[in-house]
Amino acid sequence: QKEVEQDPGPLSVPEGAIVSLNCTYSNSAFQYFMWYRQYSRKGPELLMYTYSSGNKEDGRFTAQVDKSSKYISLFIRDSQPSDSATYLCAMSANSGGYNKLIFGAGTRLAVHP
Amino acid sequence: ETGVTQSPTHLIKTRGQQVTLRCSSQSGHNTVSWYQQALGQGPQFIFQYYREEENGRGNFPPRFSGLQFPNYSSELNVNALELDDSALYLCASSFIAGGPNEQFFGPGTRLTVL
Repeated sequence: QKEVEQDPGPLSVPEGAIVSLNCTYSNSAFQYFMWYRQYSRKGPELLMYTYSSGNKEDGRFTAQVDKSSKYISLFIRDSQPSDSATYLCAMSANSGGYNKLIFGAGTRLAVHP
Repeated sequence: ETGVTQSPTHLIKTRGQQVTLRCSSQSGHNTVSWYQQALGQGPQFIFQYYREEENGRGNFPPRFSGLQFPNYSSELNVNALELDDSALYLCASSFIAGGPNEQFFGPGTRLTVL
C-alpha cells in the first residue's frame, strides 16, 4: 500500500465548476500538507501549504486537512481553462532534521470552456 | 527574487554512461532536495543537501550521488545509467532543512536513457 493515495483521474469539468481533489494517507506522522500544480513538462508549482488540521483559503483555492480521517482536499472555485493541469498532493513529517516530501501520483484536471 | 533553475533542460544518454545535472537554488535558500518523477507518477525523493552535506536520503542506490557548493547550488550525479533512470529530475530549494519548510521546484531536467 502506498503512503499517499490519489485518484489519477482524468477529471473533466466545465468552466465555472467547483472542483474537488482529494488524497488519503496512511502515515499518522505527517504534519505538513501541500498541494502543487504541474503543467505539462514543467516543474511543480506550490499552491497551498498547511500545517496540521484545518482549512486554508487563498483566492479561489481552499485546502482542507482532516488528520483524524487521514484525508486532505483541495477545492477550486470558479474553475478556469488555465486551471487545466495535474494536481499533486504532498506531505511530510519532521524526521531527523530533514523534510522529504511524499507525493501522490497526481490528478489530471481538464477544464473545458 | 530568482527562482530555482536547472540545467540542462533535456539530456539523452546511453545505458552505462554517467550524467551530471545542475541546480541553482532560490535566493535566500540554503537547502536543496532532488526528486525523480517517472512518467505519470508523483516525484520521489532522492536526497537532500544542507550545509554541503547529505542530510537525508530516499530509497535510491549509491550510484545516485550529489554535491552542494558554498553558494548552495547543487549537482546530482548518476553513474552506470539504466533504462529505468529515464525520468524528469527535479530540484527543490527551501529556507531550512527540517521543520516547516516550503519547497520550491525548478523546471526539471528530462533525462532519456537509450
